[in-house]
Amino acid sequence: DADVTQTPRNRITKTGKRIMLECSQTKGHDRMYWYRQDPGLGLRLIYYSFDVKDINKGEISDGYSVSRQAQAKFSLSLESAIPNQTALYFCATSDTTSGSYNEQFFGPGTRLTVL
Amino acid sequence: DQQVKQNSPSLSVQEGRISILNCDYTNSMFDYFLWYKKYPAEGPTFLISISSIKDKNEDGRFTVFLNKSAKHLSLHIVPSQPGDSAVYFCAASPTGTASKLTFGTGTRLQVTL
Repeated sequence: DADVTQTPRNRITKTGKRIMLECSQTKGHDRMYWYRQDPGLGLRLIYYSFDVKDINKGEISDGYSVSRQAQAKFSLSLESAIPNQTALYFCATSDTTSGSYNEQFFGPGTRLTVL
Repeated sequence: DQQVKQNSPSLSVQEGRISILNCDYTNSMFDYFLWYKKYPAEGPTFLISISSIKDKNEDGRFTVFLNKSAKHLSLHIVPSQPGDSAVYFCAASPTGTASKLTFGTGTRLQVTL
């Protein structure tokens, strides 16, 4: 079973709709992140959470909100989707509690299309 | 303002030869650097990292070199294999950990037979 899962994997929606992307992890990591990937732009950080009570804006948070429902769950919401939010979205986790700081682990991604 | 730059969008290398992927950064606060590999329809996977206190880190066929004065790092893959064909992202962090990563735009490596 995958350690970081994202649902849905693909979603097509219309302009103005509210949509939620969900991320769950079984790694027991304390930190979670949301990124989006656009062609030619690499991955850009939307929001990150260092624990359940600690939510921080990333580089491109406008138009997005997040909720850390539990240590293992971090959801990303688009309150009113617009076409330029069409992108590939990745959730990631990292662990500082065990003293391991080396890497972030990524989910498989959600491909979102806003018509 | 792109703080982490990968100026080569693509690279083609013959199997068995060396692949060299380059990355430049502008933020002097970055002190931890990572390389990720990404296959189509999958999330990025961690490959290798280096702290700013080192200038080289090696893991099997993969070696990362860091030149702090030039704000430049490179990933060497020797020998290159067809399974190495993927998009490679360079990432940097100012915290000494894999938190708050800033990614480059990626280089697509194709290893040909």
